[in-house]
Amino acid sequence: AQSVAQPEDQVNVAEGNPLTVKCTYSVSGNPYLFWYVQYPNRGLQFLLKYITGDNLVKGSYGFEAEFNKSQTSFHLKKPSALVSDSALYFCAVRDDSGTYKYIFGTGTRLKVLA
Amino acid sequence: DAGITQSPRHKVTETGTPVTLRCHQTENHRYMYWYRQDPGHGLRLIHYSYGVKDTDKGEVSDGYSVSRSKTEDFLLTLESATSSQTSVYFCAIDGGSYGYTFGSGTRLTVV
Repeated sequence: AQSVAQPEDQVNVAEGNPLTVKCTYSVSGNPYLFWYVQYPNRGLQFLLKYITGDNLVKGSYGFEAEFNKSQTSFHLKKPSALVSDSALYFCAVRDDSGTYKYIFGTGTRLKVLA
Repeated sequence: DAGITQSPRHKVTETGTPVTLRCHQTENHRYMYWYRQDPGHGLRLIHYSYGVKDTDKGEVSDGYSVSRSKTEDFLLTLESATSSQTSVYFCAIDGGSYGYTFGSGTRLTVV
């Protein structure tokens, strides 16, 4: 069965510093991986995805993610954090049963300190 | 979000009463999903639909039912609301290569 783990409930980083939000996954086949962001009182918004190809995926708002097959990880990164990046971030893997169901991690709250 | 709307946005209901949440899409997508979001649990799938009158259970389906009589509408019903169903409910459609598009959510409080 597919699963996703986000080991950190919260990540604090100073504005201007690089940030990393961790995600590991378990799938039986090729992984379809996603990152979403949720701002307060809003729905989730798509950030980026990995389907195949380059291990470094670039997404919205300057975020990128590094796919590492050997470590089964898909960490979200940004070179220079902004206070406005403070939000709840979810990693997700798409179920490979053909139903397009997503399995979400428990979420990581990112707090960027001014 | 454009193309998908949820109603109501907020609801307070009493234990034991039935509640129906509505998800409406204008994108003509085949797949629709209902998730609930709870602290420490992330998003968990309740039910999903892969076409008109075609639905299936997710991981937390007990106490919930769904219906899809038209492509654009996917209804979630709490048959007899309990306090454990206090949550934020999100509807989603499968946006293809961009993954899901989510509605803005319904905050449900069962008192």
